[in-house]
Amino acid sequence: AQSVTQLDSHVSVSEGTPVLLRCNYSSSYSPSLFWYVQHPNKGLQLLLKYTSAATLVKGINGFEAEFKKSETSFHLTKPSAHMSDAAEYFCVVSAYNFNKFYFGSGTKLNVKP
Amino acid sequence: EAQVTQNPRYLITVTGKKLTVTCSQNMNHEYMSWYRQDPGLGLRQIYYSMNVEVTDKGDVPEGYKVSRKEKRNFPLILESPSPNQTSLYFCASSSGGISTDTQYFGPGTRLTVL
Repeated sequence: AQSVTQLDSHVSVSEGTPVLLRCNYSSSYSPSLFWYVQHPNKGLQLLLKYTSAATLVKGINGFEAEFKKSETSFHLTKPSAHMSDAAEYFCVVSAYNFNKFYFGSGTKLNVKP
Repeated sequence: EAQVTQNPRYLITVTGKKLTVTCSQNMNHEYMSWYRQDPGLGLRQIYYSMNVEVTDKGDVPEGYKVSRKEKRNFPLILESPSPNQTSLYFCASSSGGISTDTQYFGPGTRLTVL
């Protein structure tokens, strides 16, 4: 079975400071892991994905995430937050040869000026 | 422009009145899927389709039907809507449907069932 836990429902940072959004996963198979972003009243957009290649994955807009199998984690980071990063972020897990996707409950990122 | 479109974007209806939410993609994708988004629960998968005439249940299929008669279209049907189906619905598509593929999402349909 697959599942995702996003450890923080809300995160607030100041502009220019680092961002850390935490995600733990559970999977009976080798997982594929994704981070999607949803801006207010918009659809979802892929930030980055891990598919069993390099464990450090770089995505769009300066975001990156590291797959840590021993910790079953896939935390999302960014060195310096911008106001435009304010949105809701979803961690997603799937498993090879399976066609289902499991979303975390989301983390709302607030960026203060 | 490559996109996933959904119609309608907003819908208010009453309990028991059948409705259909359409989804169409212009990317020749094989895989399509429907999700519902509820506060604090993230997105939950309702149904998905690997190709024409091939559909399967996601995590929350009760009360919903789908069909895939053409590759580009994947309508979501609520035969007898109930208030607990009030939600924000997203359609998504991807090229292959395997777990490594990026999904492209539509803009969402906000449904209210009174």
